[in-house]
Amino acid sequence: DQQVKQNSPSLSVQEGRISILNCDYTNSMFDYFLWYKKYPAEGPTFLISISSIKDKNEDGRFTVFLNKSAKHLSLHIVPSQPGDSAVYFCAAKAGGGNKLTFGTGTQLKVEL
Amino acid sequence: GAVVSQHPSWVICKSGTSVKIECRSLDFQATTMFWYRQFPKQSLMLMATSNEGSKATYEQGVEKDKFLINHASLTLSTLTVTSAHPEDSSFYICSASPGLDPTDTQYFGPGTRLTVL
Repeated sequence: DQQVKQNSPSLSVQEGRISILNCDYTNSMFDYFLWYKKYPAEGPTFLISISSIKDKNEDGRFTVFLNKSAKHLSLHIVPSQPGDSAVYFCAAKAGGGNKLTFGTGTQLKVEL
Repeated sequence: GAVVSQHPSWVICKSGTSVKIECRSLDFQATTMFWYRQFPKQSLMLMATSNEGSKATYEQGVEKDKFLINHASLTLSTLTVTSAHPEDSSFYICSASPGLDPTDTQYFGPGTRLTVL
């Protein structure tokens, strides 16, 4: 039962353009969401997070949007850079706990 | 700051042997450590959560007698895969959190690639 889904396994974007990575969840108890970036043979690195009481959080080139009614969140990267090429994981927590449930990841490739 | 290391980074072992993987938080004290495994092109799946000085909490379907977790100090947790078999081959990743607040970030180690022959 995949409670956090990233339906696009891969995404290719040109340098300078916007990258939009999507994530859907099914568990209505999730109240905190995070995005992680992962390079091959490395552990995930925290990027940005959002609480369910907000609908947007911005940090530099990264913005996360949350649509609770649709159980959907997205990560926007603008402008995209070649160094952003990596696998991006969406993750969620529920009820004040610290257990993370991860999505399957989206491979982003930023081309010159 | 917030660096988590894992050792070894990769290991190959024979079927039936045991393998120990270490996870260390280098510059902070980790109240809680987590162990995940990741199969190719799949999500990170939480195996267990451990708090320093207490028994680990295992996720459903994870055999506690096969995957022994010890969290003896605030900077070290170990995962021992006992009597490893080829189906245990996977990428094992640990993470560490400095506190119990749900907004506390989990910092991940670089992972350990286990191959069981």
